[in-house]
Amino acid sequence: SYVLTQPPSVSVAPGETARITCGGNNIGSTSVHWYQQKPGQAPVMVIYYDNDRPSGIPERFSGSNSGNTATLTISRVEGGDEADYYCQLWDRNSDVWVFGGGTKVTVL
Amino acid sequence: QLQLQESGPGLVKPSETLSLTCTVSGDSISSRNYYWGWIRQPPGKGLEWIGNVYYTGNTYYNPSLTSRVTISVDTSKNQFSLKLSSLTAADTAVYYCARSGQGVTACFDSWGQGTLVTVSS
Repeated sequence: SYVLTQPPSVSVAPGETARITCGGNNIGSTSVHWYQQKPGQAPVMVIYYDNDRPSGIPERFSGSNSGNTATLTISRVEGGDEADYYCQLWDRNSDVWVFGGGTKVTVL
Repeated sequence: QLQLQESGPGLVKPSETLSLTCTVSGDSISSRNYYWGWIRQPPGKGLEWIGNVYYTGNTYYNPSLTSRVTISVDTSKNQFSLKLSSLTAADTAVYYCARSGQGVTACFDSWGQGTLVTVSS
C-alpha cells in the first residue's frame, strides 16, 4: 500500500518560514491535500490540489508537489499556526485514501 | 452551510460491534460529486482513513480494516453509517465523518466534530 512519510516535528520562530515535507513514491504525479489540526479540534483543510487554498485560509499557506516530495509552506509563521499538519492523497492504483503520519509544528 | 454530526455510543465492550451514524445537513448525500467517509484518530496518534461510501452504496475500505468494516448510506435520512466488528482496545479513537471529492479531487473538505469511542469492559 502507498505510504506517505512526514517528519514528526518542525520548529520555527515567529515570522520565519516553516516547510513541512510529505514523501511518497512519485507523489508529484497526483494531487496532495493538507490539513491543520489543533488540539481537541477536527482537522481543517488548508491546501488542496497541491497548492489551492480554501476560502478563509491565509495566503501565508502554500504548497508544492514534484518528484517524490510534496511540501506545505507556512510563511511569516504566527503562534496560531502551532498545530499538527497532515498530508493526504488518493491512491489511484488501489482506490484508497491515504494520510501521512502527521507533523507537529511548534512555534518557538 | 454543510454540517456533519456523528452519533453513537461512547463506550463499547471488546469483541462487540461499533455502530456510528453521520447525519448530513446543508447538502444532499445523493450528490454525484462526493463520497462520504469515516476517519479515526487514536489518542495521541495520527489520522487513519477507514472507508468511503458513494450515494449508490459503492464502498471503498482501508485494506487493513476491510474484514471488519461495513459502511452504508441511507439517502432517505441523509445519513451514512459505520459498523466495525470484533473490537479491541486498539480501536479506541476519535471517529470523524467527512465529505470527500472523487479521484484527484479526493480531499476531505468538511468534517464532523468527531466522537470519542472507548473500547473497554
